[in-house]
Amino acid sequence: GENVEQHPSTLSVQEGDSAVIKCTYSDSASNYFPWYKQELGKGPQLIIDIRSNVGEKKDQRIAVTLNKTAKHFSLHITETQPEDSAVYFCAASKSRDDKIIFGKGTRLHILP
Amino acid sequence: KAGVTQTPRYLIKTRGQQVTLSCSPISGHRSVSWYQQTPGQGLQFLFEYFSETQRNKGNFPGRFSGRQFSNSRSEMNVSTLELGDSALYLCASSLAGPRGGGNEQFFGPGTRLTVL
Repeated sequence: GENVEQHPSTLSVQEGDSAVIKCTYSDSASNYFPWYKQELGKGPQLIIDIRSNVGEKKDQRIAVTLNKTAKHFSLHITETQPEDSAVYFCAASKSRDDKIIFGKGTRLHILP
Repeated sequence: KAGVTQTPRYLIKTRGQQVTLSCSPISGHRSVSWYQQTPGQGLQFLFEYFSETQRNKGNFPGRFSGRQFSNSRSEMNVSTLELGDSALYLCASSLAGPRGGGNEQFFGPGTRLTVL
């Protein structure tokens, strides 16, 4: 079945710098790649997603890139702020009918 | 519009007992998925229900079961609890239609289960 690997497991960046989280997936049939942010005491919340017919998507300070050939996708956060501190999960799904498989998460710390 | 609600928020059980967790999806959402979250394994998919039928299933033992009611509310049951079942159980609903999802999952706050 599908397997999603996420790196790093922990990331600390200075406020104002950029953060990059990387994920790889195993099933070349995967075509939907969402990113979720989980704050303390809350459930994960979708922050951005990308489908396989697009190579890059941007929403203000957040961007996601997808390399289908290499089967990896990345989350980029620019001009990081204290409120960006959270756990981030990448995920992959093969089709609209299939389950979503999550990576193990990255704990992002924004240092003052 | 109210979000996904889960009850109870916290639960303490002992080994061998069984437990039932409840999830009320966002109004109009017919798909409900359940996930187990642990520090070592991240978010692991348990199962998805749509229109009272289990549509997808993860790799968990038969001790984990669920059901969905006609109003889309869902329950998850774990029988013969083990220490390793201690986790945060998250429920998510989506606007997935009859032919599937791939849509945004809206998560509840979770139920924290501790097995002693």
